[in-house]
Amino acid sequence: DADVTQTPRNRITKTGKRIMLECSQTKGHDRMYWYRQDPGLGLRLIYYSFDVKDINKGEISDGYSVSRQAQAKFSLSLESAIPNQTALYFCATSDRTGGLYEQYFGPGTRLTVT
Amino acid sequence: AQSVTQPDIHITVSEGASLELRCNYSYGATPYLFWYVQSPGQGLQLLLKYFSGDTLVQGIKGFEAEFKRSQSSFNLRKPSVHWSDAAEYFCAVGNGGSQGNLIFGKGTKLSVKP
Repeated sequence: DADVTQTPRNRITKTGKRIMLECSQTKGHDRMYWYRQDPGLGLRLIYYSFDVKDINKGEISDGYSVSRQAQAKFSLSLESAIPNQTALYFCATSDRTGGLYEQYFGPGTRLTVT
Repeated sequence: AQSVTQPDIHITVSEGASLELRCNYSYGATPYLFWYVQSPGQGLQLLLKYFSGDTLVQGIKGFEAEFKRSQSSFNLRKPSVHWSDAAEYFCAVGNGGSQGNLIFGKGTKLSVKP
């Protein structure tokens, strides 16, 4: 089984709809991250969390919110989706006691907003 | 501020030929450096990392990278490319401090000719 899973893997939604992307991990890591990937722009950090009580904004948090329901679960919400949020979204984890910057990625969620 | 530049957007090499993907970083102290690979439809997989010590680091799948402080570079190399190496490659640098965040380059897409 994959260590970092994301659901759904693909999603098409309409402008204005609320949508939630979910991430679960079995690695036992304390840190979790949400990125978006756009062609030619690489990965940009949306939010990150060091534990269930510690959530931080990343480079491009506007229009997004997150929830850390448990150490193993980190959800990303788009309160009112817009077309320029069409992208590939990745969840990642890392371990403070291991390689601090060594992140492990989920398979991604492809989101299309029409 | 830290940054990562991958000068080549797209590279095509013949199968069996050698490969070098360029990465330049901007960081004041000794950086934590990474190369990730993203195969089509997949998440990012860590190829190798540099934290300290020997400046030539070995990774998975026959890849290696050399840290050159004087040139602020961390180029990825492989002596003989296989068709399965076709993917997008991302260089990343740790952003310092205790956050453990990564800053990614925009990626280099590798195509392999038969």
